[in-house]
Amino acid sequence: GAGVSQSPSNKVTEKGKDVELRCDPISGHTALYWYRQRLGQGLEFLIYFQGNSAPDKSGLPSDRFSAERTGESVSTLTIQRTQQEDSAVYLCASSPQTGQAYGYTFGSGTRLTVV
Amino acid sequence: AQSVTQLDSHVSVSEGTPVLLRCNYSSSYSPSLFWYVQHPNKGLQLLLKYTSAATLVKGINGFEAEFKKSETSFHLTKPSAHMSDAAEYFCVVTFTGGGNKLTFGTGTQLKVEL
Repeated sequence: GAGVSQSPSNKVTEKGKDVELRCDPISGHTALYWYRQRLGQGLEFLIYFQGNSAPDKSGLPSDRFSAERTGESVSTLTIQRTQQEDSAVYLCASSPQTGQAYGYTFGSGTRLTVV
Repeated sequence: AQSVTQLDSHVSVSEGTPVLLRCNYSSSYSPSLFWYVQHPNKGLQLLLKYTSAATLVKGINGFEAEFKKSETSFHLTKPSAHMSDAAEYFCVVTFTGGGNKLTFGTGTQLKVEL
């Protein structure tokens, strides 16, 4: 597609439930990133996929968070047993190979509210 | 380790006056630096990027930024603000060998008044 697509755009869930967020990167972009943006704060890195290499999971805040990506296509971010502090906008970005020379294209995000 | 500091959380200017959004970075290696803009309920949009070429970088919508290694700064400027510039601006750093992780500043909210 023309841009990075994320779904759903908004999600309200009850505390303790699991949620799954989806990201469709730009076709041909080998690198995919997940970030979290809490209200009034900058973006926190969560996880990074580059082609078929092992993902960099160093930003995942707890073992309740996991993400998958098949090849160079769709990625899903799963949060198990959601807590109120998980409420945030979850942003996905993709870039062709390494992003420094190209910049990163971000999706519009999924706004997660845990009640 | 790398970090980025945006010195002002809020900046307010009058339409037609210059804009200055400040950013200082810390990086052990040669950094790549970006400015992104986020309009309400919109995704992040790349304004400009510095990747070790010219130190004065021109971006979209009349914005530019100058990389100053001696000052570890990458301030964003625009000669004349427009109402449509009102948004949140993020300074971002990454570097080769840093796992390609982007480190974001906490953002500067730009308000443009008539």
